[in-house]
Amino acid sequence: DAGVIQSPRHEVTEMGQEVTLRCKPISGHNSLFWYRQTMMRGLELLIYFNNNVPIDDSGMPEDRFSAKMPNASFSTLKIQPSEPRDSAVYFCASRPGTPNTEAFFGQGTRLTVV
Amino acid sequence: DAKTTQPTSMDCAEGRAANLPCNHSTISGNEYVYWYRQIHSQGPQYIIHGLKNNETNEMASLIITEDRKSSTLILPHATLRDTAVYYCIALTTDSWGKLQFGAGTQVVVTP
Repeated sequence: DAGVIQSPRHEVTEMGQEVTLRCKPISGHNSLFWYRQTMMRGLELLIYFNNNVPIDDSGMPEDRFSAKMPNASFSTLKIQPSEPRDSAVYFCASRPGTPNTEAFFGQGTRLTVV
Repeated sequence: DAKTTQPTSMDCAEGRAANLPCNHSTISGNEYVYWYRQIHSQGPQYIIHGLKNNETNEMASLIITEDRKSSTLILPHATLRDTAVYYCIALTTDSWGKLQFGAGTQVVVTP
C-alpha cells in the first residue's frame, strides 16, 4: 500500500481565495483525521471521521473551514476564504477500525497564504 | 485522556541507548500509552504502544512502571536518523483513536 496520500504537497494562495486539500486514506481504514501544525500551536486535531461520518469537528477553528468524506477513499479539507493565519502544514491520518491500532499519517500539505 | 509530561529536549550520542521519559500520573486503567515521533518535515510515525506490560518491537522498547504513572521509551542504539520530536500520548480504547499531541521531546542524536 502506498500509505496515506495527500495532495498537493505545497500550496501557495492569495488571501481570500478558496483552498482545497485532499487526502486518500489507506484502503480498509475506517477512521480519518485532519490535523494542522504550526510553530505556535503544534499539532492540532481539526476533525475526524469514522466510516465516512464526521464524529467530532470541535477542533475546526472557524466556519471558514469545512471537511467532507464522500466515500471511504477520499476526503477534502476546504478553507474559504483563506487568510494568512491559516498558513500551516496540514496532515491527514487514517487508522483501521479495530481498537488499539496505530494511525498512519500522510506527508502533509504545506499551505502558505499571502 | 490523561495529560502527559515530557522533557522539552535531550541529546543522545550515536550508538548509545536513548531513554525518553514520560509522566502520566493521572492515567486511567483503560488508557494506553502511545509513542509517535516526527522527523523534520514529515508526518508523525507510530513507534509503539502498551497498557501495563513492557513492550518491544523492531524500533524500540516501552517500559511502563507498575503503578502506570510513568513510562520510558528506549531506542536501543540511536542513529542520526532517530533525531526527531518524540510524543507520548495517553489514549483510551473508546476514544476513536484521536491522538492529542503535546509539545513532545526534541531528541538530537549527535555523532
